[in-house]
Amino acid sequence: AQSVTQLGSHVSVSEGALVLLRCNYSSSVPPYLFWYVQYPNQGLQLLLKYTTGATLVKGINGFEAEFKKSETSFHLTKPSAHMSDAAEYFCAVSKGNTPLVFGKGTRLSVIA
Amino acid sequence: GAVVSQHPSRVICKSGTSVKIECRSLDFQATTMFWYRQFPKQSLMLMATSNEGSKATYEQGVEKDKFLINHASLTLSTLTVTSAHPEDSSFYICSARDEGRETQYFGPGTRLLVL
Repeated sequence: AQSVTQLGSHVSVSEGALVLLRCNYSSSVPPYLFWYVQYPNQGLQLLLKYTTGATLVKGINGFEAEFKKSETSFHLTKPSAHMSDAAEYFCAVSKGNTPLVFGKGTRLSVIA
Repeated sequence: GAVVSQHPSRVICKSGTSVKIECRSLDFQATTMFWYRQFPKQSLMLMATSNEGSKATYEQGVEKDKFLINHASLTLSTLTVTSAHPEDSSFYICSARDEGRETQYFGPGTRLLVL
């Protein structure tokens, strides 16, 4: 069975500061890993994904994540937060045709 | 990224009526679509997997007679909430799986309010 743990339901950073959102997964097979962002009253938008190959994945809006198998982690980072980054972020895992398994989400607040 | 549309974006209905929500993949074909429900400030809960040309697979605890799913074509899946009650009020989100990109893309969601 697959599962995802997102540490911290709420993260607050200052504008211009580093963003770090943590995600750890559990999977019995090599996983596919995803980060999605959700703005209020909207669906989910794909930020980035890891399937195979390079473990450092770059996504949209300046975000990137690194797949670390030894740590079973896929943390999301952005060097400099912008006010528009304030949203809910979901880490998810799947393999093949299986449905996505989501973490509980992390709400990111950006303080001016 | 790929585009998935959902219609309507918001619906208000009376208790006892049925509501149909459409999910369309606009620029790719999807043999598999998913329906999720999201409660305020919570994560997405998978309700069912919609398979084109066959019956949907429902998650444990989801009433298949209550939430009817039809995957009529490779670009369209519908969710019908039958005899809706106030407790069915929620945010419903669909997603479509792009096999080529091995990725699920999500619709914008439908806010259902049952009075």
